[in-house]
Amino acid sequence: DSGVTQTPKHLITATGQRVTLRCSPRSGDLSVYWYQQSLDQGLQFLIQYYNGEERAKGNILERFSAQQFPDLHSELNLSSLELGDSALYFCASSPGTGFEKLFFGSGTQLSVL
Amino acid sequence: GQNIDQPTEMTATEGAIVQINCTYQTSGFNGLFWYQQHAGEAPTFLSYNVLDGLEEKGRFSSFLSRSKGYSYLLLKELQMKDSASYLCAVRALAPYTGTASKLTFGTGTRLQVTL
Repeated sequence: DSGVTQTPKHLITATGQRVTLRCSPRSGDLSVYWYQQSLDQGLQFLIQYYNGEERAKGNILERFSAQQFPDLHSELNLSSLELGDSALYFCASSPGTGFEKLFFGSGTQLSVL
Repeated sequence: GQNIDQPTEMTATEGAIVQINCTYQTSGFNGLFWYQQHAGEAPTFLSYNVLDGLEEKGRFSSFLSRSKGYSYLLLKELQMKDSASYLCAVRALAPYTGTASKLTFGTGTRLQVTL
């Protein structure tokens, strides 16, 4: 158990809908990272938050947004969903800002039908 | 940008040694990580190299050559539970600020250990 909690584990929705994925980092970790994993593309970095502030941005679509709350949990919002958004979404956390050793949650499997 | 290459699949026999290679091209290189990921599960950290040379940790070792843009993960005394995907990941610094800006993963090498 990495100590990172993600909910829900599975999400099935329809195209055009909006969903929210939630992540609670390990106790004491200030950074939260979101990654998308699809079968053909591997783990793709979306965004990083550190202590409530956006720190780094990857290939995150404009339809996607994230935030980190004062209690350090984070939410990833995916809107106007398309079939191609179906993937496993991982949250990871680390103590600092520098993409050091990451601890991953068990992921949310999103299926867009 | 960054480019990371690793073989898609490998097969090895229980008890044997296997070497998984990773080559990369990046600007602002600041470290290379190896993660293990069992099917349907989260990646877990295996090793980290930032300087050239070999880092050994039990049955697993990782090597880095920065001048060649090359790393390998060596798994000894293979066990069935080692069947998993092995992900090479490269950390890069942002230009001008010198702060770590991203960790980019390769697509992974799926290792199957057979009897």
